[in-house]
Amino acid sequence: EAQVTQNPRYLITVTGKKLTVTCSQNMNHEYMSWYRQDPGLGLRQIYYSMNVEVTDKGDVPEGYKVSRKEKRNFPLILESPSPNQTSLYFCASIPIYTRSGSHEQYFGPGTRLTVT
Amino acid sequence: AQSVTQLDSHVSVSEGTPVLLRCNYSSSYSPSLFWYVQHPNKGLQLLLKYTSAATLVKGINGFEAEFKKSETSFHLTKPSAHMSDAAEYFCVVSDQGSGYALNFGKGTSLLVTP
Repeated sequence: EAQVTQNPRYLITVTGKKLTVTCSQNMNHEYMSWYRQDPGLGLRQIYYSMNVEVTDKGDVPEGYKVSRKEKRNFPLILESPSPNQTSLYFCASIPIYTRSGSHEQYFGPGTRLTVT
Repeated sequence: AQSVTQLDSHVSVSEGTPVLLRCNYSSSYSPSLFWYVQHPNKGLQLLLKYTSAATLVKGINGFEAEFKKSETSFHLTKPSAHMSDAAEYFCVVSDQGSGYALNFGKGTSLLVTP
């Protein structure tokens, strides 16, 4: 089944304790991205990657890092989490090169992070 | 630059009555437009998308949206609301200027009353 998976789905942590949220897709998509969702703000893009070893900042990159060493994986790293990073996080992937020309985004199930 | 505005943060309808969720967009290019739905404590589900084909787009669960370039609008409608339609709805725009990034509206919360 074509899907985007995220782990963990729920995480409660303390300020300053480094954490990684994993994202993996099995569709061989080139483009992957991370969004955070906050009440009243919709979803905002954190980082994106056009392909392996190619990453770039989105609209709200402060406090986050990413890496893209393999095509299927795009982990989100919070080196020193703070309470303002409490949010719902979504990973997404898109096929860039498609026969149909459709660039529909496929979303993961979300990771709810609480930083105390 | 692209942007999207959802004109209502909350909409309340009675079961069986029509639903209208309003969305205006701006884009310097030919946009792709989407509506996503998010049920409580659930992920995002694509309802429908417009990508420069037919201006009237039909989606899942009886929803449809019409792309009106002259009005820069992409309103979501459904003839008859069902209790299960209660959810958060997001209008989303993407264009070639943004790469493949999606620009989300702030969401409209739909309440359906018996």
